[in-house]
Amino acid sequence: RKEVEQDPGPFNVPEGATVAFNCTYSNSASQSFFWYRQDCRKEPKLLMSVYSSGNEDGRFTAQLNRASQYISLLIRDSKLSDSATYLCVVNGWEGGKLIFGQGTELSVKP
Amino acid sequence: DAGITQSPRHKVTETGTPVTLRCHQTENHRYMYWYRQDPGHGLRLIHYSYGVKDTDKGEVSDGYSVSRSKTEDFLLTLESATSSQTSVYFCAISDSGFEQYFGPGTRLTVT
Repeated sequence: RKEVEQDPGPFNVPEGATVAFNCTYSNSASQSFFWYRQDCRKEPKLLMSVYSSGNEDGRFTAQLNRASQYISLLIRDSKLSDSATYLCVVNGWEGGKLIFGQGTELSVKP
Repeated sequence: DAGITQSPRHKVTETGTPVTLRCHQTENHRYMYWYRQDPGHGLRLIHYSYGVKDTDKGEVSDGYSVSRSKTEDFLLTLESATSSQTSVYFCAISDSGFEQYFGPGTRLTVT
């Protein structure tokens, strides 16, 4: 079993749609959780950290369920500029390595 | 964006030659990391550093060495490049040890 597993893509959605990505992780001792965004041939960029209480940043909402070892990202009112690969990322300890999911590709169409 | 640069940005080299990639930061962050990204494998950690002269291996460290003699520089060396080391290499930095910020990447081709 992979340490971090994500929904297989690609997701093709029209502008204005709401789309949700899911992710599960295997190590119950994991401490911190993130969503990164990666554009084609570019570096991953931190989109948002994920907190136990859930957090929202504009059109983006992240949720964490530690009991189920499950992370989600919801994007509302999708824009063309949201087209990218979204990476679910887990960190086990301070200074430790990030463990990346394979990524889910999102394509927002006009 | 975090002040992090990588050099060179692109390199083509021949099998058997040594190669050094440089990561430079202006953020004074404690932690630095080298990852490689390959289709079908995602991002994998090669080596990381938790301070000057303090480094440790990641999951794919064979064939690679690192050095960190200054806070701002983290060097990745391929002792004798092989075709399997053709990849995109990303450096990352972290102040907290949790959130990491990535450099623009180096595309390395070993022929």
